[in-house]
Amino acid sequence: GIQVEQSPPDLILQEGANSTLRCNFSDSVNNLQWFHQNPWGQLINLFYIPSGTKQNGRLSATTVATERYSLLYISSSQTTDSGVYFCAVEQYNQGGKLIFGQGTELSVKP
Amino acid sequence: GAVVSQHPSRVICKSGTSVKIECRSLDFQATTMFWYRQFPKQSLMLMATSNEGSKATYEQGVEKDKFLINHASLTLSTLTVTSAHPEDSSFYICSARSRAIGYEQYFGPGTRLTVT
Repeated sequence: GIQVEQSPPDLILQEGANSTLRCNFSDSVNNLQWFHQNPWGQLINLFYIPSGTKQNGRLSATTVATERYSLLYISSSQTTDSGVYFCAVEQYNQGGKLIFGQGTELSVKP
Repeated sequence: GAVVSQHPSRVICKSGTSVKIECRSLDFQATTMFWYRQFPKQSLMLMATSNEGSKATYEQGVEKDKFLINHASLTLSTLTVTSAHPEDSSFYICSARSRAIGYEQYFGPGTRLTVT
């Protein structure tokens, strides 16, 4: 099956710093989503981005489908950005099933 | 928009009993709902896919007789953990999507199950 790898696995930042999280996938995908899992376990949708670039406030994401990777940029990080960031991919003709990467655990220090 | 709820948020049960978890799409009709399981410090693993009015499709290694899934309507899916054992203790999360609002999946807040 498809492999989804995220890097780095852990990241510690000082408040105000910028960061880039990466998601590599081993096969063609129909859909890619980025999520933030908060300390209470809720997954928050960040981006639905099978290709191209999107921005939402301090966050932006780029997916290069032909090269099988996606990047999530966090600028001017805040302590509330702490948590686990997941990317998840959906392959063609799989009924919408999302395959998750192992996540990047981000800790933003004040 | 696109809100998914789960109930209960937390449940403790004795070994051998059954527990039902509800997943509802509050402001859209979900053509497909999904059930995931997450162990501490790990990623989400898909358990099953549920389409309204049809039987759920289970992932390899998931016992369908133990994890009963019912998708009774376009806004409600239930997961029943039957004859629960301590190893079933986990965080269970549902998600839903609809063609009408695109193919993005939206997740519920999760249910933490502890079996004593």
